[in-house]
Amino acid sequence: KQEVTQIPAALSVPEGENLVLNCSFTDSAIYNLQWFRQDPGKGLTSLLLIQSSQREQTSGRLNASLDKSSGRSTLYIAASQPGDSATYLCAVSDMNSNSGYALNFGKGTSLLVTP
Amino acid sequence: DGGITQSPKYLFRKEGQNVTLSCEQNLNHDAMYWYRQDPGQGLRLIYYSQIVNDFQKGDIAEGYSVSREKKESFPLTVTSAQKNPTAFYLCASSNGANVLTFGAGSRLTVL
Repeated sequence: KQEVTQIPAALSVPEGENLVLNCSFTDSAIYNLQWFRQDPGKGLTSLLLIQSSQREQTSGRLNASLDKSSGRSTLYIAASQPGDSATYLCAVSDMNSNSGYALNFGKGTSLLVTP
Repeated sequence: DGGITQSPKYLFRKEGQNVTLSCEQNLNHDAMYWYRQDPGQGLRLIYYSQIVNDFQKGDIAEGYSVSREKKESFPLTVTSAQKNPTAFYLCASSNGANVLTFGAGSRLTVL
């Protein structure tokens, strides 16, 4: 069964720093990998989707990379701001799953950006 | 605006009661999903539906039931058989292996 792991579980950085969140997965047969943001008590907001044939995606200050063969993805946040404080979740859509295109989620990285 | 609407946002249930959580989408997505989120845990799949009038169990379906009579709607019933139903419930939809769009969630508390 696909296992998705996110490291670190929590991270605190001062405003302005660049940072990297890590995600690893055990089965490289995936359709895609998605990064989400979740604010406390809210639903998930999609940040970036990387299809299995792609290496990276960029949106504004966010850049996500995918190394499917090694089962790893990183989310790079440039020039962090206090408004970036949230939990970031990584999820993969697994070709070997018997749940269609349903996503398997990591437990998330809780990010705090201090002024 | 297109999106997913979940209701109610907060729900309290007495032990032994069934409750139904509503999920409606106007994105014209074929697939819909229900996930459960507990503190410190990742999201876990309860049920999913890839097409109207068809749905499949996810990883933690015991104590839950769903229906998919319309493309736009995928209600989740939490039955009295669910032993630990207090959690945050999230509904999502997508077209194939594309971006998953989530609703704002429903928080269920058992009194």
